[in-house]
Amino acid sequence: GENVEQHPSTLSVQEGDSAVIKCTYSDSASNYFPWYKQELGKGPQLIIDIRSNVGEKKDQRIAVTLNKTAKHFSLHITETQPEDSAVYFCAAEDSTLGRLYFGRGTQLTVWP
Amino acid sequence: DTEVTQTPKHLVMGMTNKKSLKCEQHMGHRAMYWYKQKAKKPPELMFVYSYEKLSINESVPSRFSPECPNSSLLNLHLHALQPEDSALYLCASGLAGNTGELFFGEGSRLTVL
Repeated sequence: GENVEQHPSTLSVQEGDSAVIKCTYSDSASNYFPWYKQELGKGPQLIIDIRSNVGEKKDQRIAVTLNKTAKHFSLHITETQPEDSAVYFCAAEDSTLGRLYFGRGTQLTVWP
Repeated sequence: DTEVTQTPKHLVMGMTNKKSLKCEQHMGHRAMYWYKQKAKKPPELMFVYSYEKLSINESVPSRFSPECPNSSLLNLHLHALQPEDSALYLCASGLAGNTGELFFGEGSRLTVL
């Protein structure tokens, strides 16, 4: 099955700085890559996703890049704010099985 | 309405009890999921229902029994659980047979004594 590696496990940044989280995957057949944000006491919420026919996608302060050749994708958050503090999970989808494989998560802390 | 509603939010049960977790969505999604999440870990897939039929069972012990009475409801029946089953149980829904966003509920926090 798919194996998703996520780094770093923890990330601390000053408010206003940028944050980058990186993931790699093993199955070249995977073609959908979502990012989820999970705040304390809540369920994961999709913040951005990308499909394999696209190299980059932006939504305001958040962007995701995908390199299919190298099998890695990254989340970029610019101008970070304290409310960005949460656990972020990357995932890759095995479209044959219709299931997501999650990375181990990154605890992002943004200091005011 | 883009919500997945889970009840109860918290549940404490003994190892001999029988209880159920419930999940409801009204987004017209035909795929529904149960995930288990331990502290500081990613969600682990347990079961997937597609068009009310069980399509994936991730070798979950039989003390967990899923049920999908209709396209909007998903239950997880619990019996003879172990303390190590204590976790956050997340329900999610999405479009069946298609890649796309999963909508998660807030979860049911289960403690087994």
